[in-house]
Amino acid sequence: EAGVTQFPSHSVIEKGQTVTLRCDPISGHDNLYWYRRVMGKEIKFLLHFVKESKQDESGMPNNRFLAERTGGTYSTLKVQPAELEDSGVYFCASSQDWRLSYDEQFFGPGTRLTVL
Amino acid sequence: GQNIDQPTEMTATEGAIVQINCTYQTSGFNGLFWYQQHAGEAPTFLSYNVLDGLEEKGRFSSFLSRSKGYSYLLLKELQMKDSASYLCAVRDQDYNQGGKLIFGQGTELSVKP
Repeated sequence: EAGVTQFPSHSVIEKGQTVTLRCDPISGHDNLYWYRRVMGKEIKFLLHFVKESKQDESGMPNNRFLAERTGGTYSTLKVQPAELEDSGVYFCASSQDWRLSYDEQFFGPGTRLTVL
Repeated sequence: GQNIDQPTEMTATEGAIVQINCTYQTSGFNGLFWYQQHAGEAPTFLSYNVLDGLEEKGRFSSFLSRSKGYSYLLLKELQMKDSASYLCAVRDQDYNQGGKLIFGQGTELSVKP
């Protein structure tokens, strides 16, 4: 069974440009999470989807970030316009049922975003 | 506020035992996870604790004390391949919100021959 996949693995863009990151969760996982790790800091939560609905978007830093999960399958995270402080590694994770006490989140390898 | 602390770096010798500590202060608690992450790869699940006590899984064990806000990950019979970053994460579950994880900065473990 395929794990969580993310595309691209690396992206280098200029400040002010737009970038779209994609995440494909494990098949059958209704829950999809976005996290981000900026240099020297801990991994931080951005947003949680249950199917196509946003369950929790309390971690989204500002309105330059837009996450979608049309159809409840893959998700995209768009940054527009990108700023220098957006550089970091963006992780996606998926799980079966967040309401269960033991609900393991499976992580993808991340997209390394560099904004110049 | 939410805070999870773990040592930044640790070094240990192949074949030895190492204990990585994690302390947490969160508004809610519904489980503590340990993940292993090799450079450039996805974090992978190691263990989960929600009740006080020790959970053993092969060479890896994890302990939790909820009253002390404390956990540790114990790695036995260290191998070179255990060199990685170890992430402590707490599920701060508000039933109106979801299952987001709050992470510590990670402990970079170096295993030397």
